[in-house]
Amino acid sequence: EVQLVESGGGLVKPGGSLRLSCAASGFTFGSYSMNWVRQAPGKGLEWVSSFSSSGTYIYYADSVKGRFSISRDNAKNSLYLQMNSLRAEDTAVYYCTRDGRYSGSNDYWGQGTLVTVSS
Amino acid sequence: DVVMTQSPLSLPVTLGQPASISCRSSQSLVYSDGNTYLNWFQQRPGQSPRRLLYKVSDRDSGVPDRFSGSGSGTDFTLKISRVEAEDVGVYYCMQGTHWPRTFGQGTKVEIK
Repeated sequence: EVQLVESGGGLVKPGGSLRLSCAASGFTFGSYSMNWVRQAPGKGLEWVSSFSSSGTYIYYADSVKGRFSISRDNAKNSLYLQMNSLRAEDTAVYYCTRDGRYSGSNDYWGQGTLVTVSS
Repeated sequence: DVVMTQSPLSLPVTLGQPASISCRSSQSLVYSDGNTYLNWFQQRPGQSPRRLLYKVSDRDSGVPDRFSGSGSGTDFTLKISRVEAEDVGVYYCMQGTHWPRTFGQGTKVEIK
């Protein structure tokens, strides 16, 4: 069974940093592209960043470019999101998602981790 | 960026009746490989999103066959043939053809 478990969320002050982790199991992690998608309270879904299986591409939404950094450790079956210079508008539930190998994007989602940026 | 526009944003439906959600993209979603990477997601209250359909009309494993998708180019539709109580939630379309990936605003389905 595919499982994605996020951790690392919490309360942080504006300008602060946080590192999110996503532990994957139930599939060959290194063979899949992975993503972060976020959802501000009461709002819709926003794609944040993607890291391809081969490392061929890494993409960021303009809203986080230069502040967030995505990485992965295939040996540890883990995906990460380093978030720096956090702003109030980064407050959201952050979901780790997997892309299907042949079925397109975001076929599996984690339960999410809440990041709150407030003084 | 490709803008995804859903309508309606709120959809009150009667149990057992059909429902339909429209999703329009600002650019064609046909990729160079010939596929159209248009997904539909369901988010029940208090839950993570769940993918229902991919590449316009392919149903994910475990998704009831009352959910169907259609469309091409820039115009897409999600249909529920007979709404059940468990279908309450917010539905999102998303395009995976162009970077950045973009979602529609969401359509809230509720029971009348």
